[in-house]
Amino acid sequence: GDSVTQMEGPVTLSEEAFLTINCTYTATGYPSLFWYVQYPGEGLQLLLKATKADDKGSNKGFEATYRKETTSFHLEKGSVQVSDSAVYFCALTSAGGTSYGKLTFGQGTILTVHP
Amino acid sequence: DAGVIQSPRHEVTEMGQEVTLRCKPISGHDYLFWYRQTMMRGLELLIYFNNNVPIDDSGMPEDRFSAKMPNASFSTLKIQPSEPRDSAVYFCASSRPGIDSINYGYTFGSGTRLTVV
Repeated sequence: GDSVTQMEGPVTLSEEAFLTINCTYTATGYPSLFWYVQYPGEGLQLLLKATKADDKGSNKGFEATYRKETTSFHLEKGSVQVSDSAVYFCALTSAGGTSYGKLTFGQGTILTVHP
Repeated sequence: DAGVIQSPRHEVTEMGQEVTLRCKPISGHDYLFWYRQTMMRGLELLIYFNNNVPIDDSGMPEDRFSAKMPNASFSTLKIQPSEPRDSAVYFCASSRPGIDSINYGYTFGSGTRLTVV
């Protein structure tokens, strides 16, 4: 079945540092890939997405590129801020069969940014 | 659009009591999902509906849990009887029909924090 693996956390960075959170996936067919963010005490919010190979999703300074050859969708940001402290989830959804529309999430990575 | 609305935001109940969590999805979204989030197990899909019909309930932990979607604008998740290990944050999410459910992902509610003492 479909699965998503994220890098082990938590991740602790200083403000303005470079961020990478690794995500790899296993899926049948051609999945769409997502990053969701969860701020303390809130629900998950869609951060960015990519629906086909080589697409780059971007939002709020975050980027991720859909790499079919390495089955990866790593999240990056050039300069993090304290306000980026949150839990980040990588996810995928595949078309077809009973999994149509169903998102499969990774385990989440806690990011803490210090001033 | 008010988004996905969940109630209550917080629920504290005694072991053995019945608990009902409620969700109103976004109008026009025909998928609805119930998730449970804990520190130990992360985010778990409990059940999801398409056009009010349960599609996959394999994540429902045991018979104490049940979910219904009587119409397109309302769903409930019921735990009877509740136990302390059910303490978690329960999220409801909805998504658009068809291929848009792939292209746009989910919209999550703010969750219900359940504490069973």
